[in-house]
Amino acid sequence: GAVVSQHPSRVICKSGTSVKIECRSLDFQATTMFWYRQFPKQSLMLMATSNEGSKATYEQGVEKDKFLINHASLTLSTLTVTSAHPEDSSFYICSAREVLGRTEAFFGQGTRLTVV
Amino acid sequence: GENVEQHPSTLSVQEGDSAVIKCTYSDSASNYFPWYKQELGKRPQLIIDIRSNVGEKKDQRIAVTLNKTAKHFSLHITETQPEDSAVYFCAASIMRFGAGTRLTVKP
Repeated sequence: GAVVSQHPSRVICKSGTSVKIECRSLDFQATTMFWYRQFPKQSLMLMATSNEGSKATYEQGVEKDKFLINHASLTLSTLTVTSAHPEDSSFYICSAREVLGRTEAFFGQGTRLTVV
Repeated sequence: GENVEQHPSTLSVQEGDSAVIKCTYSDSASNYFPWYKQELGKRPQLIIDIRSNVGEKKDQRIAVTLNKTAKHFSLHITETQPEDSAVYFCAASIMRFGAGTRLTVKP
C-alpha cells in the first residue's frame, strides 16, 4: 500500500505554545488529507478535511483558529495546534487519499501530543 | 451527516473460533466501507474493504458482507489467532468511523 509519514511521532510542549504536525504522502499524490483526533480507547474523530490548494473543511465543534490546517502541496499537509492547553493532549493522526480517484485512504503513524 | 454504529464494543473468542463485528450506517449515499485494524499505539491498517456494488468480499480468513437495503455491513474473521487481537474499526466512506471493537483471542 501507499506510505504516509507523519512527524513528529511524539511531542511534549508547554501550555501556550504552538505545535506543528506534518503529514506527507511519500509515494503518491494526495488530493485530500484528513486529520483525526483519538482519545485513549476511543474511536477516530474527524477534525477536518483538507484539499490541496484550498481551505480546510472543519467538523462541527472544531475551532479552525486553534487547529490550523495547511495543504500547500499534493504531498504535504500540516496541522498546527495553537496556544496549546493540557486538554489538547491527544493522539493526532492523518490519512491521505490518492489523487487518481481511488477511494481508500492510508494513515500516518500518528502524533502523541502532551501539553504540560 | 453520516452516522456509523458498531457492535459489539468488546469481543472475546477462543483461538480457532470465528468473530463477527457488525456496523450500521445512516447515509444511503455512502458507497465505500473499509475495515481497519489498530494495535495499541499504532496507526490503523486497512484489512479489507467493500464497495456498494458488491455484496461480499473475502480475503483468506477475513470476509466482509454488505446489505445496502438494510444499511449494515459486517466483518467476519474465521479461525481466529492470538495475533488477531486488536481494535477493529468500521467506516462508511473514509471519514466516518465506528466506535471500535476490541477483539481478544484467547490461546
